[in-house]
Amino acid sequence: GAVVSQHPSRVICKSGTSVKIECRSLDFQATTMFWYRQFPKQSLMLMATSNEGSKATYEQGVEKDKFLINHASLTLSTLTVTSAHPEDSSFYICSARDSSRVNSNQPQHFGDGTRLSIL
Amino acid sequence: AQKITQTQPGMFVQEKEAVTLDCTYDTSDPSYGLFWYKQPSSGEMIFLIYQGSYDQQNATEGRYSLNFQKARKSANLVISASQLGDSAMYFCAMREGRSGNTPLVFGKGTRLSVIA
Repeated sequence: GAVVSQHPSRVICKSGTSVKIECRSLDFQATTMFWYRQFPKQSLMLMATSNEGSKATYEQGVEKDKFLINHASLTLSTLTVTSAHPEDSSFYICSARDSSRVNSNQPQHFGDGTRLSIL
Repeated sequence: AQKITQTQPGMFVQEKEAVTLDCTYDTSDPSYGLFWYKQPSSGEMIFLIYQGSYDQQNATEGRYSLNFQKARKSANLVISASQLGDSAMYFCAMREGRSGNTPLVFGKGTRLSVIA
């Protein structure tokens, strides 16, 4: 089945560090990928929509200079948390859908997520 | 306004019994899809079942079925014969429009605990 690989699974780093998270679709192409953030005991909140070959679309309240998104190929999107601070500590998870499947009933496939802890 | 409402923060069910997790939604788009995902404590999102707005029949996938009541805008998940491994967070989500490239909007989730 469709697989999305997300790396790293866990990051612990000092305040001020920039952290890059990769999201890869392993057996399908995805022109669009999504980045979500989930705080403990809360739901997934959409941060941005990543579009291959163009700029990402950010949700209201999400700083685009803080959360840099690059979607350089049909199988890879990256999220870079720049100059991370403790309040950026969260669970970040990406999702993608097979672009070749036109039926809207196809689910989004999620990566396993990245637990980011900023000390 | 909330697009997806899950009113049950937590639910308990006895092993082997059936349980219903509630979900109501709000949209003015005639084309939409409703999804249920399971999130165990490890964090991954596991797709369970899908219901399209034009589907005439309720979706079923193994022990999972979706009680879709379009007029009431509800899409409740029914899990039959609960197993201990079903203990997890369950999220209802909606995608609006015909395109598959719009994001999912999630409800707040329901934590299901299956008791032996």
